[in-house]
Amino acid sequence: AQTVTQSQPEMSVQEAETVTLSCTYDTSESDYYLFWYKQPPSRQMILVIRQEAYKQQNATENRFSVNFQKAAKSFSLKISDSQLGDAAMYFCAYPKTGANSKLTFGKGITLSVRP
Amino acid sequence: DTGVSQDPRHKITKRGQNVTFRCDPISEHNRLYWYRQTLGQGPEFLTYFQNEAQLEKSRLLSDRFSAERPKGSFSTLEIQRTEQGDSAMYLCASSPGQWNGYTFGSGTRLTVV
Repeated sequence: AQTVTQSQPEMSVQEAETVTLSCTYDTSESDYYLFWYKQPPSRQMILVIRQEAYKQQNATENRFSVNFQKAAKSFSLKISDSQLGDAAMYFCAYPKTGANSKLTFGKGITLSVRP
Repeated sequence: DTGVSQDPRHKITKRGQNVTFRCDPISEHNRLYWYRQTLGQGPEFLTYFQNEAQLEKSRLLSDRFSAERPKGSFSTLEIQRTEQGDSAMYLCASSPGQWNGYTFGSGTRLTVV
């Protein structure tokens, strides 16, 4: 079974500080992608970052970066210089291998940012 | 606006009534997905279309649920004989390819009373 686990339901960070959101997944595949999505209180999901499993280099998008450890099946999201607008639910997602590539989402982490 | 559009944004219905939701994906995206999300949970897959073909349905999609995507453009999700357990946010997403990730719509929040 392909599963995605986000074990921390809530996290809090001080504005301008750095926070890391954890995600682990289970797969028998060797080639795949991983995604982090953000869902602000307005509820529209937004793609934050994507990691290709065959690339050893961790993906980076501005203040967002990934710590991808393939052997450990770990895919953490680091948010640097946290801003109030980063407050949201964050979901880790893994696509099922195959033509349909449907995403399986974790339960999410609620991130609050303290001013 | 070139994003994914969903209509309506909110729907309140009485138990037993039928409801239909619409999704307009990004026009260049041939893949369209429906998900259901309950409060505090991650989205759960319901069904997938590639162009007009419905290629996969989740076991969550009981026989009261039906989805269509005529001509490979917009899609509709219908729920017949709604139950209180159907109350959720219904999310539509589209994608141009297997590894591109999704673009989501704002969702339709269904409340069954």
